[in-house]
Amino acid sequence: DSGVTQTPKHLITATGQRVTLRCSPRSGDLSVYWYQQSLDQGLQFLIQYYNGEERAKGNILERFSAQQFPDLHSELNLSSLELGDSALYFCASSVYGGINEQFFGPGTRLTVL
Amino acid sequence: AQKVTQAQTEISVVEKEDVTLDCVYETRDTTYYLFWYKQPPSGELVFLIRRNSFDEQNEISGRYSWNFQKSTSSFNFTITASQVVDSAVYFCALSEEGAQKLVFGQGTRLTINP
Repeated sequence: DSGVTQTPKHLITATGQRVTLRCSPRSGDLSVYWYQQSLDQGLQFLIQYYNGEERAKGNILERFSAQQFPDLHSELNLSSLELGDSALYFCASSVYGGINEQFFGPGTRLTVL
Repeated sequence: AQKVTQAQTEISVVEKEDVTLDCVYETRDTTYYLFWYKQPPSGELVFLIRRNSFDEQNEISGRYSWNFQKSTSSFNFTITASQVVDSAVYFCALSEEGAQKLVFGQGTRLTINP
């Protein structure tokens, strides 16, 4: 158990819908990262927050957004969902930034029908 | 640009054999960090090791060992006396200083047969 929690574990929804994925980092970690794992793209970095502020952005679509709250939990919002958004979404946390080891949550498997 | 290549897509061995997973990376930075993660069938990503670019000493942890060679830009992972529980997908990753993100290789699916 990494100490990072993610909810829900599974999510099934329809195209065009909007969903919110939630992540709580390990106690003491200030950075939260979101990654997408799909068969064709592999593991791709989406976005990072550090202590409530956006720190780095990767291959995140404009339909996707995220935030980190004062209690350091984070949410990833996915809107206007398409079939291709079906993937495993991981949240990770680290003490500070990218040079530290990142500990991953169990992931949320999103299926868009 | 950062890039990680794991050329071995799948490896299958019999239990108790030694197996080496290859990882080759590309970066223009002189300061960077290398990682290995394990993804068992249950799906979570488990951190195994972190190495910085200034430390080329090999590391051993039980049956696991890592060989870091800057001259060939490689960070290979060896499992000695493999066990069925080692079956998983293994990912090598790179982080440049200041880059914040991990760049992952495509992963190597390792199957240990009894």
